[in-house]
Amino acid sequence: EAQVTQNPRYLITVTGKKLTVTCSQNMNHEYMSWYRQDPGLGLRQIYYSMNVEVTDKGDVPEGYKVSRKEKRNFPLILESPSPNQTSLYFCASSLGTGPYNEQFFGPGTRLTVL
Amino acid sequence: AQTVTQSQPEMSVQEAETVTLSCTYDTSESDYYLFWYKQPPSRQMILVIRQEAYKQQNATENRFSVNFQKAAKSFSLKISDSQLGDAAMYFCAYRSVDSGYALNFGKGTSLLVTP
Repeated sequence: EAQVTQNPRYLITVTGKKLTVTCSQNMNHEYMSWYRQDPGLGLRQIYYSMNVEVTDKGDVPEGYKVSRKEKRNFPLILESPSPNQTSLYFCASSLGTGPYNEQFFGPGTRLTVL
Repeated sequence: AQTVTQSQPEMSVQEAETVTLSCTYDTSESDYYLFWYKQPPSRQMILVIRQEAYKQQNATENRFSVNFQKAAKSFSLKISDSQLGDAAMYFCAYRSVDSGYALNFGKGTSLLVTP
């Protein structure tokens, strides 16, 4: 089944404790992206990657890191999480970078930073 | 940066009736795509419908259709014969090459469907 998977789905952590949220897609998609969703703000892009070893900042990159060592994986790293990073996180992928390419979303990761 | 505005935080519709969700956007680009996504309580983001700016014909997908007014930069979603399963948060989104390949989302409209 074609899908985008994220792990973990739920995470409660404390300020300053490094964490990684994994994202994997099995559709051989070139483009991958991370969004965060906050009440009343919609979804905002954190980082994106157009291909292996090619990443760039989105609208809200502060406090996050990403890597793209393999085409299928695009982990999101919070090296020193803070309470303002409490949010719902979505990974998405699409076949290419053209605007006509549908973005497929993962199921979301609910992160709480105490 | 492009902005997407959904002016209705909440809407309500009775089962079997029709409802229209509003969306406006601001852009100087001529080539772009517009999307409506549905987010049910499961939180999964589901693509409902999409429209290419160059196409004058409004997109339709079963009970879902759009009214795309390019000059007015308006992109509304009409849901006909509403069903209980349509209850969800609906997001309007914009994407173009110049938007950094990102989907720029509106803040969403929460749709309640009453029996």
